[in-house]
Amino acid sequence: NAGVTQTPKFRILKIGQSMTLQCAQDMNHNYMYWYRQDPGMGLKLIYYSVGAGITDKGEVPNGYNVSRSTTEDFPLRLELAAPSQTSVYFCASSYYGSQSSYNEQFFGPGTRLTVL
Amino acid sequence: AQKITQTQPGMFVQEKEAVTLDCTYDTSDPSYGLFWYKQPSSGEMIFLIYQGSYDQQNATEGRYSLNFQKARKSANLVISASQLGDSAMYFCAMREIGTGNQFYFGTGTSLTVIP
Repeated sequence: NAGVTQTPKFRILKIGQSMTLQCAQDMNHNYMYWYRQDPGMGLKLIYYSVGAGITDKGEVPNGYNVSRSTTEDFPLRLELAAPSQTSVYFCASSYYGSQSSYNEQFFGPGTRLTVL
Repeated sequence: AQKITQTQPGMFVQEKEAVTLDCTYDTSDPSYGLFWYKQPSSGEMIFLIYQGSYDQQNATEGRYSLNFQKARKSANLVISASQLGDSAMYFCAMREIGTGNQFYFGTGTSLTVIP
């Protein structure tokens, strides 16, 4: 049981380049999330998904795209990288199947992205 | 308005002493959950403790307890008998049932345990 995995761990991009951050979970969680964490700050939600084929914007979606074709995978796409996208990106997943507010988020190890 | 507010950017505590990290929240949803996460310098997010809005008792997990004051909308984390390994960033988070299950995080508190 690997939990939430993210690749790559580190990446340096040039301005204008594109890349996809990969995220996968093997816990059969229906909800998945992408966050960014800028230095010394908390997490800001970029996009989230409530199940395969369904995605929605979070607080800071501009410059990113997502897709969710399977329950397990939730890739994040940066189309035209900008220095403002230098950050640490966390993928997370959780299960929601009732009216309970429990079910913590499980986080991946993060991807450290630098745009120069 | 901020959903989660952590007003202490940095805190210091002597080893073996107790420390309280503050968290206030803002919601009109009657059903919500409150979480605390620890982020050591290595960067991973570690779940510590959970409190549901309908829970009557304060949550406890080992040396961690959550001081839940619903009327004041506060959910402070208490760490007893601090250890050097407790030095880390601590984030308070909230999950609202009514907003499609989004999580909201505070800006964090950096805790340093002094030997």
